[in-house]
Amino acid sequence: EAGVAQSPRYKIIEKRQSVAFWCNPISGHATLYWYQQILGQGPKLLIQFQNNGVVDDSQLPKDRFSAERLKGVDSTLKIQPAKLEDSAVYLCASSLSPVTGELFFGEGSRLTVL
Amino acid sequence: AQKVTQAQTEISVVEKEDVTLDCVYETRDTTYYLFWYKQPPSGELVFLIRRNSFDEQNEISGRYSWNFQKSTSSFNFTITASQVVDSAVYFCALRGGNTDKLIFGTGTRLQVFP
Repeated sequence: EAGVAQSPRYKIIEKRQSVAFWCNPISGHATLYWYQQILGQGPKLLIQFQNNGVVDDSQLPKDRFSAERLKGVDSTLKIQPAKLEDSAVYLCASSLSPVTGELFFGEGSRLTVL
Repeated sequence: AQKVTQAQTEISVVEKEDVTLDCVYETRDTTYYLFWYKQPPSGELVFLIRRNSFDEQNEISGRYSWNFQKSTSSFNFTITASQVVDSAVYFCALRGGNTDKLIFGTGTRLQVFP
């Protein structure tokens, strides 16, 4: 079974530029999450989708971050404009059901903002 | 508020030693779930275990064991006869009964030397 796919694995941009990350969850997983993991910290939830609807985006900095999950499968996370403090690993995860809490994570996209 | 504390930032052991990773949590929910995840150098988070608040039985899976004690709000993880492949960052996480959000601790980096 294919795991959660993310791209790109690494991205370096200058502040005020924009960047987009892509995630393809495990087939059949209705719930998709984007987490931000700053170096030395645990992952922090940015946004959760159930199919193509947003369940929780309370910690998403909406002035610069946006995410969508068209058709309830793939998802894109965009940052525009990027700030230095956005340097982090962006982890995508999916689960068959939010109830079990067993999330399957991708390898992440490491963003460096200069 | 919900919180997970992993006081040990980094632990170093020599192969075959036993090692215990501590996790202390805070929640006002009566129903909640606790998790451990492993993050190897490749970056993806690997699910290890889920425990619900009504099940205080300790669990053993091969060299891994977990000690859940509600009285001290702790969910500690022990690796017996550690191996080099156990080297990773380990995260403890909490999910309240009425939310899908996983709250992660800051992680403990385990280094096992040959």
